[in-house]
Amino acid sequence: DTEVTQTPKHLVMGMTNKKSLKCEQHMGHRAMYWYKQKAKKPPELMFVYSYEKLSINESVPSRFSPECPNSSLLNLHLHALQPEDSALYLCASSQQGVREETQYFGPGTRLLVL
Amino acid sequence: KQEVTQIPAALSVPEGENLVLNCSFTDSAIYNLQWFRQDPGKGLTSLLLIQSSQREQTSGRLNASLDKSSGRSTLYIAASQPGDSATYLCAVSADSWGKLQFGAGTQVVVTP
Repeated sequence: DTEVTQTPKHLVMGMTNKKSLKCEQHMGHRAMYWYKQKAKKPPELMFVYSYEKLSINESVPSRFSPECPNSSLLNLHLHALQPEDSALYLCASSQQGVREETQYFGPGTRLLVL
Repeated sequence: KQEVTQIPAALSVPEGENLVLNCSFTDSAIYNLQWFRQDPGKGLTSLLLIQSSQREQTSGRLNASLDKSSGRSTLYIAASQPGDSATYLCAVSADSWGKLQFGAGTQVVVTP
């Protein structure tokens, strides 16, 4: 099974709301990733967790906060977002985070910030 | 800084023709290169991964080559079908964290 699941599929939130995106995989992978994809653009990496260690894209604003409760689960906490944060948020995982391993992507959460 | 370019940006072919998609990257110090397919509004589906030590990978009608020294990869799709219509993205990994740098993609339409 090479499935990465993401919930919710769609999310609409106001700029003062707090919400969370969830990602889960049961492939035994030890690296998980959050990407942001704007319309007609390629995905851009936001965060990487590899063996519970976090690597951050320094251009990502602090209103995005990742959390990795265990090696199968990855959350993205959202707070005080801006309309320009509206995008498709993709989660991915790979085995042990080693360089030769394929990244498997979830279907994404489409976020709209009003 | 690594830059990944895909040409052409869009491609339309009649069913049955072979597809040739190009990807170039500026820094040859990569760990691997992946090709993905993305349908509108959906996530990415991994098609092929080529390790830096390999020159090609094949899966069914798909064949991908890698020339690391010249910074190029090509994805060949044989005998295209309407179901191959999608956006194809290439991405390179250049560090031990597996961080992917994507090209902008090639939008493919296969007409019946």
